[in-house]
Amino acid sequence: QSALTQPASVSGSPGQSITISCTGTSSDVGGYNYVSWYQQHPGKAPKLMIYEVSNRPSGVPDRFSGSKSGNTASLTISGLQAEDEADYYCSSYTSSSTLHVVFGGGTKLTVL
Amino acid sequence: QVTLRESGPALVKPTQTLTLTCTFSGFSLSTSGMCVSWIRQPPGKALEWLALIDWDDDKYYSTSLKTRLTISKDTSKNQVVLTMTNMDPVDTATYYCARMASDGYNYDYWGQGTLVTVSS
Repeated sequence: QSALTQPASVSGSPGQSITISCTGTSSDVGGYNYVSWYQQHPGKAPKLMIYEVSNRPSGVPDRFSGSKSGNTASLTISGLQAEDEADYYCSSYTSSSTLHVVFGGGTKLTVL
Repeated sequence: QVTLRESGPALVKPTQTLTLTCTFSGFSLSTSGMCVSWIRQPPGKALEWLALIDWDDDKYYSTSLKTRLTISKDTSKNQVVLTMTNMDPVDTATYYCARMASDGYNYDYWGQGTLVTVSS
């Protein structure tokens, strides 16, 4: 059972915008601005897309954006493209016990 | 150029101990702020954080697996080693090592992963 809750799937048509949510608690998402988002294509390693809630690493298109409100973080992808179809995972620092970082259960994005 | 590469057995038997090595280049684990973690992903399932070791040799473990995990580093060889005892078929997964380069608790570079199957 994952510590952060994400929808299992979302879908959208090319050019549209979608948002993926990531819900945690005050011990992780809500308590710290250390939420990250990763994109994973089949058979590949995850790729960092957003860090510290809303920052994009160099090379990540500005179509990808992140935000947070309370215990829920969100990843928004605007102007959907076929290559955006992938699994997306959120993660957060956590102050719970000895665990350091927690991941969400992942969301499968389908571009229709 | 930062790279990480996992190595270890592809197949282990139940109850055996798994030893995985992450060999990296392009950074030093003796640099302040640098950390390396192990993260795994069972087939078709989500990522699961396992352990982290930092530049100061502090170690952190998954709460549910901490009794079975040991993480260590050899700075001179640019390697991080994870051992997991008492392997079970449910531990079948792709195991990744990844770099955390700051206090931001994010992983900017990942290895390609190594699939470990636990079966008799």
